[in-house]
Amino acid sequence: DTGVSQDPRHKITKRGQNVTFRCDPISEHNRLYWYRQTLGQGPEFLTYFQNEAQLEKSRLLSDRFSAERPKGSFSTLEIQRTEQGDSAMYLCASTGTANTEAFFGQGTRLTVV
Amino acid sequence: QKEVEQDPGPLSVPEGAIVSLNCTYSNSAFQYFMWYRQYSRKGPELLMYTYSSGNKEDGRFTAQVDKSSKYISLFIRDSQPSDSATYLCAMQNAGNMLTFGGGTRLMVKP
Repeated sequence: DTGVSQDPRHKITKRGQNVTFRCDPISEHNRLYWYRQTLGQGPEFLTYFQNEAQLEKSRLLSDRFSAERPKGSFSTLEIQRTEQGDSAMYLCASTGTANTEAFFGQGTRLTVV
Repeated sequence: QKEVEQDPGPLSVPEGAIVSLNCTYSNSAFQYFMWYRQYSRKGPELLMYTYSSGNKEDGRFTAQVDKSSKYISLFIRDSQPSDSATYLCAMQNAGNMLTFGGGTRLMVKP
């Protein structure tokens, strides 16, 4: 499968714990995006990388959130001191040089209990 | 007011019907327009991608963009039960992130 891959698919964590998600984009894509989607809503932008550089962050990305993309390949999204409001689907997408058609992974569903 | 508005539905149609899904938007800087299909607990799947105003057809799907009215549509001909999903419209400035509508849930009944 050469699509966008996300791991884990599901994560249940206790409030206050830290969690980390991984995204592997399509191999030739240089832009990688993170989105968050809550039930019944469309995805909302969190942050994006061009190669290893993080170029933009949404106001939704509080100080508890951090994202990295070392060497411009896979990316990780970490949430520290999770809260119940962090429960959502976290989606990763990648685009090629033209930065137009975005392809999404299957998402990581986070439940904070 | 959200930048992209989409009727949440649900929209229920019989198999074989023509389905019309719509979005309106307020940001005139949007240049690229997309439709995604999302099955329950799955990631969005890109269906149609268009640039500027006009029509684009792909099999049973037709996307329309009217930039003067800030209105986009997706038509599904000969709808099938397998088309039952949530349809998300998305829009983009050049090279930037996507702004999504809230999604319309479609149910096609056999």
